[in-house]
Amino acid sequence: AQSVTQLGSHVSVSEGALVLLRCNYSSSVPPYLFWYVQYPNQGLQLLLKYTTGATLVKGINGFEAEFKKSETSFHLTKPSAHMSDAAEYFCAVSSGNQFYFGTGTSLTVIP
Amino acid sequence: DAGVIQSPRHEVTEMGQEVTLRCKPISGHDYLFWYRQTMMRGLELLIYFNNNVPIDDSGMPEDRFSAKMPNASFSTLKIQPSEPRDSAVYFCASSNLAGGRGEQYFGPGTRLTVT
Repeated sequence: AQSVTQLGSHVSVSEGALVLLRCNYSSSVPPYLFWYVQYPNQGLQLLLKYTTGATLVKGINGFEAEFKKSETSFHLTKPSAHMSDAAEYFCAVSSGNQFYFGTGTSLTVIP
Repeated sequence: DAGVIQSPRHEVTEMGQEVTLRCKPISGHDYLFWYRQTMMRGLELLIYFNNNVPIDDSGMPEDRFSAKMPNASFSTLKIQPSEPRDSAVYFCASSNLAGGRGEQYFGPGTRLTVT
């Protein structure tokens, strides 16, 4: 069975501060991992994904995530938050033809 | 590419009425997904298709919900009869890589309000 856990449904950071959104997964087979972002009144769009190869993955808008198999984690980071980063972020895991989304983390950026 | 297209963008209907949501996936994508998003339950996978065939409909809440994909470029999600608790944003997504390697491309969603 697979599952995705996002710690913290709401995260607030100051503009210019580090963004860290946590994601842990459980999977019986090597997973593929994704981060999506959802802006208000829009659909989800892909930020980045890990399939194979390098464990540090870089995505759009300065975000990156590191796959740590030993910790079963795929945390999302950005060195310096921008006001435009305020959105809902979803971690997702897939294996075979099963695809699971986390419950989402709402990011607020304080000016 | 126009991306995933959903219609209508907003739907307001009365309880008991039939509602049909429509989706056009990205050309060439062979997977299509229907999701429902609410504040209480978050993002839920309702059903997905591969090559127009329903693969997993375990997320469909009850018999009032049905989904079809008559061809590679069109899918519908129907609710009959609708109830206030069906109010949500319904997303369609498509993908073109099997085995879960491919990312899903989401449409803008249909916001359904049942009064």
